[in-house]
Amino acid sequence: SQTIHQWPATLVQPVGSPLSLECTVEGTSNPNLYWYRQAAGRGLQLLFYSVGIGQISSEVPQNLSASRPQDRQFILSSKKLLLSDSGFYLCAWSFRDRYNEQFFGPGTRLTVL
Amino acid sequence: AQKVTQAQTEISVVEKEDVTLDCVYETRDTTYYLFWYKQPPSGELVFLIRRNSFDEQNEISGRYSWNFQKSTSSFNFTITASQVVDSAVYFCALSGEAGGSYIPTFGRGTSLIVHP
Repeated sequence: SQTIHQWPATLVQPVGSPLSLECTVEGTSNPNLYWYRQAAGRGLQLLFYSVGIGQISSEVPQNLSASRPQDRQFILSSKKLLLSDSGFYLCAWSFRDRYNEQFFGPGTRLTVL
Repeated sequence: AQKVTQAQTEISVVEKEDVTLDCVYETRDTTYYLFWYKQPPSGELVFLIRRNSFDEQNEISGRYSWNFQKSTSSFNFTITASQVVDSAVYFCALSGEAGGSYIPTFGRGTSLIVHP
């Protein structure tokens, strides 16, 4: 069976500090990978998605970046955090075929002070 | 473009009541998929169901049931005899070519509160 890991679970960072959130998937190969942010108000905002190693598509211009150094590893980064980067970050994966359901990680709650 | 509307922001019921969560979608695709997810207070979204556009049969899983009607572009979710553990935010989502078939469009979610 497949599992998705995401860490850290919570993070408090000062404005201007760097960020690195990591997500890994086990039990499958060539997954599609996604990063979402969920601010207060519940809506899910897609930040990045990847259909393969080194292939990253950005949905929203911002000071965040993503990388996929290995098939089942997806990293969300920032060089300098802003207050507006606070939120709940969710990593998800889906099978390579189109139209598939997504499976989400436990999330990282980021507070930027 | 495609769109998912969950008009109910918050629903509050008492345990054992039946409750229906509405989902209305817009798409120009003939092939598309609809989904429901549950987000309990812990935060992790849990996949509940996927339905393709060619299958309008209703689905029942325990206390959960889904009613897909293409004529009204709706994919509603009913919980029968609700329980406190059903308290969560529920998201409806749509995947189709118009939105990029790897990228679902999510509704804004409906918060369900079940009181004991």
